[in-house]
Amino acid sequence: KAGVTQTPRYLIKTRGQQVTLSCSPISGHRSVSWYQQTPGQGLQFLFEYFSETQRNKGNFPGRFSGRQFSNSRSEMNVSTLELGDSALYLCASSPRQGNNSPLHFGNGTRLTVT
Amino acid sequence: DAKTTQPNSMESNEEEPVHLPCNHSTISGTDYIHWYRQLPSQGPEYVIHGLTSNVNNRMASLAIAEDRKSSTLILHRATLRDAAVYYCILRDVSPTGTASKLTFGTGTRLQVTL
Repeated sequence: KAGVTQTPRYLIKTRGQQVTLSCSPISGHRSVSWYQQTPGQGLQFLFEYFSETQRNKGNFPGRFSGRQFSNSRSEMNVSTLELGDSALYLCASSPRQGNNSPLHFGNGTRLTVT
Repeated sequence: DAKTTQPNSMESNEEEPVHLPCNHSTISGTDYIHWYRQLPSQGPEYVIHGLTSNVNNRMASLAIAEDRKSSTLILHRATLRDAAVYYCILRDVSPTGTASKLTFGTGTRLQVTL
């Protein structure tokens, strides 16, 4: 079974631009969540989607948004990029919701904002 | 969200058992205890999870205290490939019982030496 696939692996953008990151979950997994990882703040939860609906949201500004498609693939978008948005963005999928279900992470998209 | 406390770092010799502790004194009755590890340049990898009883899988064992205020991840024979940052996480559940999220702490950096 293929793992969680995130594209692109690396991205360089300029302040003020917007960016879209993509995540393909493991086949059959319907829950997708996103995390931001930085050296200073560690891993922080962004949001979770299940059946195309956002089910949970972390403490990030409205510039961060996401969506999930009917095939469970997900995208996250960051508008008006700031230097502090430079980070590793991780996507994780799970077959179902609930706290008794392991998450399977991709290897992330490393975003650099200059 | 209930928080966890882990030592910043630990060292082990190869082929010896490793016990990674985690304190979670404010754990609620419905929180599952999850462990993930992260190798350099990779996304986190699921290791094991449990609620009340001790758990075993091919990677590790999870020993949960009777009062659930602490737990220990046990690697039975550490190898160089086990060198990673290990995260102990409490996974909560929303009032509706469906959505949940992960709150990562700073983790324990495990060094394994020959």
